[in-house]
Amino acid sequence: DSGVTQTPKHLITATGQRVTLRCSPRSGDLSVYWYQQSLDQGLQFLIQYYNGEERAKGNILERFSAQQFPDLHSELNLSSLELGDSALYFCASSVLSGVGDTQYFGPGTRLTVL
Amino acid sequence: QKEVEQDPGPLSVPEGAIVSLNCTYSNSAFQYFMWYRQYSRKGPELLMYTYSSGNKEDGRFTAQVDKSSKYISLFIRDSQPSDSATYLCAMSPSNFGNEKLTFGTGTRLTIIP
Repeated sequence: DSGVTQTPKHLITATGQRVTLRCSPRSGDLSVYWYQQSLDQGLQFLIQYYNGEERAKGNILERFSAQQFPDLHSELNLSSLELGDSALYFCASSVLSGVGDTQYFGPGTRLTVL
Repeated sequence: QKEVEQDPGPLSVPEGAIVSLNCTYSNSAFQYFMWYRQYSRKGPELLMYTYSSGNKEDGRFTAQVDKSSKYISLFIRDSQPSDSATYLCAMSPSNFGNEKLTFGTGTRLTIIP
């Protein structure tokens, strides 16, 4: 158990809908990262927050947005969902923000868009 | 062509064998190299982190970087059934700024008892 929690574990929804994925980092970790993992694209970095502020942005679509709250938990919002958004979404956390800082991954949320 | 290429496998080897996992890359700016292990239905976990060329050893695991060939490897000695997982390489041009962290697609490894 990494100490990072993600809810829900599974989510099934329809095209055009909007969903919110939630992540609670390990106690003491200031950075939260979001990743998308699909069979054809592999693991892709979406966005990083550090102590409430956006720190780095990867291949995140405009339909997706995220935020980190004062208690350091984070939410990833996915809107106008398409079939291709079906994937595993991972949240990770680390104490600091360098790429070499060990990122502890949560168990993921499996999103299925029908 | 992807920036990072990794043979997806699957790769099956008998217990006790030496395993070699590899990635090639095209971006000569990559300086930081990582290997992650991902068990089925779990998130990835960082195994090794190296900077620039050279070798780094940690127990049964050795990470090797050859920047001149744009080639990185992970060796697993005395492989165990518990090593059965998907292994992902990742690399970045900078230690700061996760936005340039690029992952390989992963190699699925099975160690046969």
